[in-house]
Amino acid sequence: DQQVKQNSPSLSVQEGRISILNCDYTNSMFDYFLWYKKYPAEGPTFLISISSIKDKNEDGRFTVFLNKSAKHLSLHIVPSQPGDSAVYFCAASTFQGAQKLVFGQGTRLTINP
Amino acid sequence: GAVVSQHPSRVICKSGTSVKIECRSLDFQATTMFWYRQFPKQSLMLMATSNEGSKATYEQGVEKDKFLINHASLTLSTLTVTSAHPEDSSFYICSARARGLAGIRGTQYFGPGTRLLVL
Repeated sequence: DQQVKQNSPSLSVQEGRISILNCDYTNSMFDYFLWYKKYPAEGPTFLISISSIKDKNEDGRFTVFLNKSAKHLSLHIVPSQPGDSAVYFCAASTFQGAQKLVFGQGTRLTINP
Repeated sequence: GAVVSQHPSRVICKSGTSVKIECRSLDFQATTMFWYRQFPKQSLMLMATSNEGSKATYEQGVEKDKFLINHASLTLSTLTVTSAHPEDSSFYICSARARGLAGIRGTQYFGPGTRLLVL
């Protein structure tokens, strides 16, 4: 039972344009969502997070949007840079299981010069 | 920044042997460490949570006698895959929560992972 889904295994975007990565979830108990970025041969690194009491969180070029009614979140990167090329994972947790993260399958983002 | 290392990065072993994977927090004390497994094109699946000085808590469906976890110190946790079989071949990755950040959700620092191939 895949509670967190990233339906696009890959995405290719031109440098300078906006990258939009999507994530859907099924568990309505999830109340905290995170995005991680992973380069080859390295562990995932935390990028940005959002609590369910918000619908938007912004940090520099990265913005995460949360649509609770649709159980959908997205990560916007603008402008996209070549260094953004990586695998992006979304993850979710519940209040009760605050330490446990449930991950999506990841989306490989490629930024083309 | 917080650094987590794993050793070895890659291991190939024969079926029936045991393999030990180490996870170390290099510049912080980790009260809690997590072990994940990732099969190709699938998500990271949490296997177990280990707290320093106590027994690990395993997720449903994970055999605790097969995947032995020891969190002997605030900087080291080990995962031992006992009597490994080809279906145990996977990418194993650990993460650690820093002491003092227990109240901050999502603060996990990940290791680079260990690729295990069982022949």
